[in-house]
Amino acid sequence: EPEVTQTPSHQVTQMGQEVILRCVPISNHLYFYWYRQILGQKVEFLVSFYNNEISEKSEIFDDQFSVERPDGSNFTLKIRSTKLEDSAMYFCASRDNSDGYTFGSGTRLTVV
Amino acid sequence: GESVGLHLPTLSVQEGDNSIINCAYSNSASDYFIWYKQESGKGPQFIIDIRSNMDKRQGQRVTVLLNKTVKHLSLQIAATQPGDSAVYFCAERGNNAGNMLTFGGGTRLMVKP
Repeated sequence: EPEVTQTPSHQVTQMGQEVILRCVPISNHLYFYWYRQILGQKVEFLVSFYNNEISEKSEIFDDQFSVERPDGSNFTLKIRSTKLEDSAMYFCASRDNSDGYTFGSGTRLTVV
Repeated sequence: GESVGLHLPTLSVQEGDNSIINCAYSNSASDYFIWYKQESGKGPQFIIDIRSNMDKRQGQRVTVLLNKTVKHLSLQIAATQPGDSAVYFCAERGNNAGNMLTFGGGTRLMVKP
């Protein structure tokens, strides 16, 4: 069964550093998403991406964040100048033209 | 703002019993709902979905019920097994450009052997 692949599975970074979280969506999917989940809390929407541009973003997704689809297969989330409160699980998801949202296993980001 | 919420944070059931997990949503424009299962350290795993033009949908051992009148969604798991132990989230898709999902707060299901 096709999967959404995220790397790394765990990233530790120092406060103030930049991190890039990587995702390989399912190959024929057209819609891409980033969500985050702070420990013990619900999954929160960050951004949706379609046709090489952001289609919607939440209040969380401020100037500290950016997304990119640098080639035909990768979808990245960049977090600049990380803060302690950015520590969370970050999930990538993709969808085709139907309702099928598929989530990756996530990247655990720890900011120290 | 619009939100999706769950009534019970933790549900403990005996193996073999049926489980019912509930969810309340507030966005009357939501047209699609999904139940996800999340095991520790993993991403949300699709269980079952339902469109707003339906009130019931059945899968293997799972049933989702949608009551649009009271904006309520439930997940029924028949003959609950230890492997069903996880956190369950409901999610709704509202009328938005990005078709993103809004998740509820989650219910932890604990299955006692």
